[in-house]
Amino acid sequence: SQTIHQWPATLVQPVGSPLSLECTVEGTSNPNLYWYRQAAGRGLQLLFYSVGIGQISSEVPQNLSASRPQDRQFILSSKKLLLSDSGFYLCAWSVRGGGYEQYFGPGTRLTVT
Amino acid sequence: QKEVEQDPGPLSVPEGAIVSLNCTYSNSAFQYFMWYRQYSRKGPELLMYTYSSGNKEDGRFTAQVDKSSKYISLFIRDSQPSDSATYLCAMSDGTASKLTFGTGTRLQVTL
Repeated sequence: SQTIHQWPATLVQPVGSPLSLECTVEGTSNPNLYWYRQAAGRGLQLLFYSVGIGQISSEVPQNLSASRPQDRQFILSSKKLLLSDSGFYLCAWSVRGGGYEQYFGPGTRLTVT
Repeated sequence: QKEVEQDPGPLSVPEGAIVSLNCTYSNSAFQYFMWYRQYSRKGPELLMYTYSSGNKEDGRFTAQVDKSSKYISLFIRDSQPSDSATYLCAMSDGTASKLTFGTGTRLQVTL
């Protein structure tokens, strides 16, 4: 069966510090991968999605970036965090060329102080 | 106007009640529909998906899609306290690997 991992689970970082969140998927190959941010009362905001290694699409202009160095690894980064980057970050995957359902990881709660 | 509208709640019901959760959408190109359940501080969990109009049942859950009215519903029968969570609808027009989500309805089932 497929499993998606995210780490860390929680993170408290000062403004201006760098960020690296990691997501890995097990039990499937060539997945589509997604990064979302969920802020209270605002629903899920799609940040990036990837249909293959090195292929990243950005949905929202911001100080975040994403990379996909391996087929089942997706990384969310920032060089300098802002207060507005606080939120709950979720990674998800879907079957490439398959259905439209997405499967989510456990999330990382980021607080920027 | 948002593409997908969902009443944020909270919706409070007694244990055993039938719950109706709804979403309306404006984009007639949406044709694939999903419901997710999200417990507090957890990632969303896929509950049901349906690719056609009509009803789809899975245990205590029934998903209903009315494309002519651009309206989808999730019914929960015999609701339990463990059903207390936020329920998100999601949909796709099938042209890209992306979903459009509602903002979620918070449900509380009381003893």
